[in-house]
This record gives sequence, C-alpha cells and structure tokens, in this order.
Amino acid sequence: EPEVTQTPSHQVTQMGQEVILRCVPISNHLYFYWYRQILGQKVEFLVSFYNNEISEKSEIFDDQFSVERPDGSNFTLKIRSTKLEDSAMYFCASRSGLAGETQYFGPGTRLTVL
Amino acid sequence: QKEVEQNSGPLSVPEGAIASLNCTYSDRGSQSFFWYRQYSGKSPELIMFIYSNGDKEDGRFTAQLNKASQYVSLLIRDSQPSDSATYLCAATGYSSASKIIFGSGTRLSIRP
Repeated sequence: EPEVTQTPSHQVTQMGQEVILRCVPISNHLYFYWYRQILGQKVEFLVSFYNNEISEKSEIFDDQFSVERPDGSNFTLKIRSTKLEDSAMYFCASRSGLAGETQYFGPGTRLTVL
Repeated sequence: QKEVEQNSGPLSVPEGAIASLNCTYSDRGSQSFFWYRQYSGKSPELIMFIYSNGDKEDGRFTAQLNKASQYVSLLIRDSQPSDSATYLCAATGYSSASKIIFGSGTRLSIRP
C-alpha cells in the first residue's frame, strides 16, 4: 500500500540554523500539507500546497518557513533560522483530491532545537 | 477561530466494554469529520471518517455525526488493551485543499 515517507526521522539542530525536512507524498496525490505537533499539544496546521503554490498557511507559518516541491516527488519544509520553540514533530500529509478521500500522514520528523 | 473540542481524559474503560469518545466543533461549514488514533511519538492513524448525519459502522468502531448539534462521537465496542491510545477528533471544510483542524485528543486507557 502506498504511503507518505519522511526523512529524517529525527533532526537535532542548533538554534539559528537552517533545517530542511523532506517528504515524499503518495505518487498520484495532488494536495500536500505540513502539520506540526509540539510535545503534549494538539496537531496544528502549517501550510497546504497545490499546483506548485501555497493554498493556505496558518499564523505559525511566518517568513522563517518555506515549502517547495523541487521535483515530481519531494515536498520540503524549510525553516531558515530555527528557534527553541520550533522543537516539535512535523508531519507531512498528502491527498489525492478525489471526493471522500482523506489526507494520509507520514510518520513524522522529530525536530529538536538546542 | 475554528475549533474542535474534546475532553482530554484520561478515559478508563474495562476490557470488553464500550468506550465512548465525544467531540464538538465550532465551524458549521465543516464538511467531513475524522477520528484518528495516535500512539505516543507516532503520527495520527485514520480510524474512520464521516460526513453524513447519522451512524457509520466499521468493525468494532461506530462514528456518529449530528450536524445540528455540531457533535461527533466514536464508539469502540469490545475494547481491547491495544485500543489504549490518544484519539483525535478532526474536521475539515469543503474545499479539496482544506486543512484538517484537530482537537487536542482524548487519552483512552483500556484496563484488563
């Protein structure tokens, strides 16, 4: 069964450094998303992406964040200058766009900012 | 602000009993509703989705939706210890690109 994959599974970085989180959505999906979950808190929407552009972004998704689909398979989230409060699990999700289809989540990347 | 509200629990249920999980949502424009199961440190795993008023059954799970009351529930019959997890209620809008709005989750513990 096709699945969303994410790399790395765990990323440790120093405050102020740039990180890139990578996702490979399910191959025929058209809609892509990033969510994050700070430890002990709810899953929060960051950004949705369709047709090579951002469809919607949350207040969390400020100028420090960017997304890109550099080729036909990868979907990346870049954080330019990480802060301590960026430490969280980051989940990528994708959706086909067919009626009734839900979003499928990847296993997540745990980002730790020191 | 669109919200999905859940009782955080923990909800403790004896093995073999019915576990009942509830949530409410604030946005009347929400179209589809989901129940995810999440184990600690793992990603949300879809259990069921529902978009029509009434009940939807899948094995031991029944989702119920009441749009007039803006209320969604999940019943787990014959609860097993492996059902112990955090259950996330979630809602999404009509658009294909719509984000999912998650509740904070209810921690369910099935005691043997």
